[in-house]
Amino acid sequence: KAGVTQTPRYLIKTRGQQVTLSCSPISGHRSVSWYQQTPGQGLQFLFEYFSETQRNKGNFPGRFSGRQFSNSRSEMNVSTLELGDSALYLCASKPSTDTQYFGPGTRLTVL
Amino acid sequence: DQQVKQNSPSLSVQEGRISILNCDYTNSMFDYFLWYKKYPAEGPTFLISISSIKDKNEDGRFTVFLNKSAKHLSLHIVPSQPGDSAVYFCAARRATSGSRLTFGEGTQLTVNP
Repeated sequence: KAGVTQTPRYLIKTRGQQVTLSCSPISGHRSVSWYQQTPGQGLQFLFEYFSETQRNKGNFPGRFSGRQFSNSRSEMNVSTLELGDSALYLCASKPSTDTQYFGPGTRLTVL
Repeated sequence: DQQVKQNSPSLSVQEGRISILNCDYTNSMFDYFLWYKKYPAEGPTFLISISSIKDKNEDGRFTVFLNKSAKHLSLHIVPSQPGDSAVYFCAARRATSGSRLTFGEGTQLTVNP
C-alpha cells in the first residue's frame, strides 16, 4: 500500500497570507490527524478528522482549521500567517487499530 | 504541562551494543504507548507500541517495556546499528482522546560504527 502523502512538501509564504496543506491517507484509513512540529514546542496535536467530522482538537487558535472529504483526504488551512507558524506540518492516518502512520510532512516557512 | 517526558536529549552507543531510551509520563489515563523514529525533514516512522495491559512487547531488535506503577517506559534496541541513528519519540494516547497522541521531546540516538 502507498503511504500517507502530503502536498506540497515545501512552502514559503509571507506574514498575513493564508495557506492550505493537503493530505492523502493510506487507503482504507478513515482517521486523519494533523500535528505541528517546531524546535521549541516539539510535536503538537492540531486536530483529528474521522468520516468528515472533526473528532478532536488541540490547543491552537482558530486561524488553524481543517476538513476531511468523503474519500478521507484532508486539508488544513492556516489564515493570517504569523512568523511563529513556520513549522513542519505532519499528517497521520490510522486504521481501526491504534497505530498512526505519518506522512513526510510539509515544511512551511513564513517570512 | 509536559505529560510525556524524555529526559535525555541525546544518547550515544557503540554498534552492536544495547540502546536504551527512556520515557516518563504523568497522566495515568494514558492507555497506549508508541515509539517513533524520525529522520530530519521526514515524518515519524512507527517502530513499536504497547498497550497498558501489557508490560512488554517485542518486535525483532526492538523491545518496549512498560512500568505502570512508575509511569515509565523504555525502548531497547539490540543490537544497535548505525542505521538506527535518528531521533526517537515516545508518544502516549488516552482512550477518551480519540487518536490524539501526546509526544515527548525526543532523544537523538547516535550509533557509532
